[in-house]
Amino acid sequence: EVQLVESGGGVIRPGGSLRLSCSASGFTFENYGFSWVRQTPGKGLEWVSGINWNGASIRYADSVKGRFTLSRDNAKNSLYLQMDSLRAEDTAFYYCARQEEWLFPLEFWGQGILVTVSS
Amino acid sequence: EIVMTQSPATLSVSPGETATLSCRASQGVSSRLAWYQQKPGQAPRLLIYGASTRATGIPARFSGSGSGTDFTLTISSLQSEDFAVYYCQHYNNWPPYSFGQGTKLEIK
Repeated sequence: EVQLVESGGGVIRPGGSLRLSCSASGFTFENYGFSWVRQTPGKGLEWVSGINWNGASIRYADSVKGRFTLSRDNAKNSLYLQMDSLRAEDTAFYYCARQEEWLFPLEFWGQGILVTVSS
Repeated sequence: EIVMTQSPATLSVSPGETATLSCRASQGVSSRLAWYQQKPGQAPRLLIYGASTRATGIPARFSGSGSGTDFTLTISSLQSEDFAVYYCQHYNNWPPYSFGQGTKLEIK
């Protein structure tokens, strides 16, 4: 069974840092790219960042560029989103999602993890 | 960045009837358009990709059409489990792969 499980969320003060993890199972992790998508409670979806199968190609939304860093460890079947200089507007549910590569849809999603940035 | 605009924001339809949802891209995205369904408390689920191809396990009452800038998701013979929020997303060229703001399909 394909599974993506996010962890590392929580409450953090503005300006702080948090590292989200996405642990994958049920498929060959290194064959896929991944994206992070966030959703403000009660609002729509925003694509945040994506990475290709070997980590050589990484892209970010303008809203997080320079503050968030995406990486992966194929040996550990894991994806990481390092979030620095957090702002109140980063408060959201964060989902990791699998895609075959760039130019492919987000075919499977994790259940999401809540990040709250508040003083 | 490509802007995706969905209409209407809310659609009220009776069970058994047909719902038609629209999505427009601010510039052409070829057929690289996906539709997702999201129910309360759940993650989005891929319904349609390539503008018209149903994802694995998606019932035939869901159909997609369009290319370029204008796309449609049609849900026929609406079932109770179909009432949810639907998002379109393009995945053309390089990211960001922006989403529409969503259409809430509610029971009339």
